[in-house]
Amino acid sequence: GAGVSQSPSNKVTEKGKDVELRCDPISGHTALYWYRQSLGQGLEFLIYFQGNSAPDKSGLPSDRFSAERTGGSVSTLTIQRTQQEDSAVYLCASSLVTRGNSPLHFGNGTRLTVT
Amino acid sequence: GQSLEQPSEVTAVEGAIVQINCTYQTSGFYGLSWYQQHDGGAPTFLSYNGLDGLEETGRFSSFLSRSDSYGYLLLQELQMKDSASYFCAHKGGATNKLIFGTGTLLAVQP
Repeated sequence: GAGVSQSPSNKVTEKGKDVELRCDPISGHTALYWYRQSLGQGLEFLIYFQGNSAPDKSGLPSDRFSAERTGGSVSTLTIQRTQQEDSAVYLCASSLVTRGNSPLHFGNGTRLTVT
Repeated sequence: GQSLEQPSEVTAVEGAIVQINCTYQTSGFYGLSWYQQHDGGAPTFLSYNGLDGLEETGRFSSFLSRSDSYGYLLLQELQMKDSASYFCAHKGGATNKLIFGTGTLLAVQP
């Protein structure tokens, strides 16, 4: 079946602009995660959803970052007033449930470049 | 808090065996996972240890010792295509967020 889909795959924006990143999880997956990965670095947790609610949003770097999930499916990560330090690959993942042995399935990410 | 430490780089030759270690600190613990990420690609799930001991999946094995807060990924019969970054990860603490380790870049040489 279809995997996790993220759009756009690449986004170049000017400093100060707002951007929206979209994630379509695997159908039926209740958990959805957002991570950020800078070049050559690890995966930085941002937020995760169980259904439409976000039990943990502790990784969001600032109040310029927000995310929502609707219908237990599509999620949008919004970054307002982008800064150059926001440049990174934003990865979305979904899993069937949030139990420990439920693997995450990742999308190919959105590469964000802030000029 | 939660943190997982890994060696930053490991180099090995084709056909060899390599072990990638992961030490963690967490309040509460719900198993250790391993993911592989090729350059420019999406991370993919390799294995999970919920209990102490060794789990084997083909050429890859993963080990966990909860008493030592330690695990490792063992790759046997290394192939060039195994060159990638490897991340350990776990869920712990009050929520179910999955936290990833610092990552290990494996370079397989001919």
